[in-house]
Amino acid sequence: QVQLVQSGAEVKKPGASVKVSCKASGYTFTSYDINWVRQATGQGLEWMGWMNPNSGNTGYAQKFQGRVTMTRNTSISTAYMELSSLRSEDTAVYYCARAHRLTRDAFDIWGQGTMVTVSS
Amino acid sequence: QSALTQPASVSGSPGQSITISCTGTSSDVGGYNYVSWYQQHPGKAPKLMIYDVSNRPSGVSNRFSGSKSGNTASLTISGLQAEDEADYYCSSYTSSSTQVFGTGTKVTVL
Repeated sequence: QVQLVQSGAEVKKPGASVKVSCKASGYTFTSYDINWVRQATGQGLEWMGWMNPNSGNTGYAQKFQGRVTMTRNTSISTAYMELSSLRSEDTAVYYCARAHRLTRDAFDIWGQGTMVTVSS
Repeated sequence: QSALTQPASVSGSPGQSITISCTGTSSDVGGYNYVSWYQQHPGKAPKLMIYDVSNRPSGVSNRFSGSKSGNTASLTISGLQAEDEADYYCSSYTSSSTQVFGTGTKVTVL
């Protein structure tokens, strides 16, 4: 079945970087954009950016420009999101989400989420 | 980019209809027909319920419907059921070629 499986929980110190993976299966990985969305505990959803797995093209929310990098490895159908210069406010669940086949602007398949905790 | 504005909470009795609003600007909701709605149960990933303002993905109940007027989009749930109790988020494409989510609405079935 179509699914996205993310890497496990991470605990990082302030100032460090984290790299979360998102492995796709059940569909052609290079045919659909991958987006990243995060959610702090008890808070709303926050869009971080998108990546086209075919071209590698990316687009980031202004808030994360300069701190986030989205990449992929097409040979293993895996997308990555790396966030640097971590601070306590980055503590959240990070989701990858696939764009819908008919529109890039809706996300129909979501990963299970990866908890990232930033603490000294 | 500021989050789209949603009511914090909406409630209704089983069988009733409720509507959740999502207010943005002409640079997002009002400027494009790219509004989506997501349902999120506690501890779970969001689920796509509506895309492109009013389209339902395969498998989503026809009790869910979407619409838009000006800078405000709406999600209506008819025949409210206990399993509809969840958080709901709207999202929209923006003039900056980004996405923005709404503040979220907690739906309670009384």
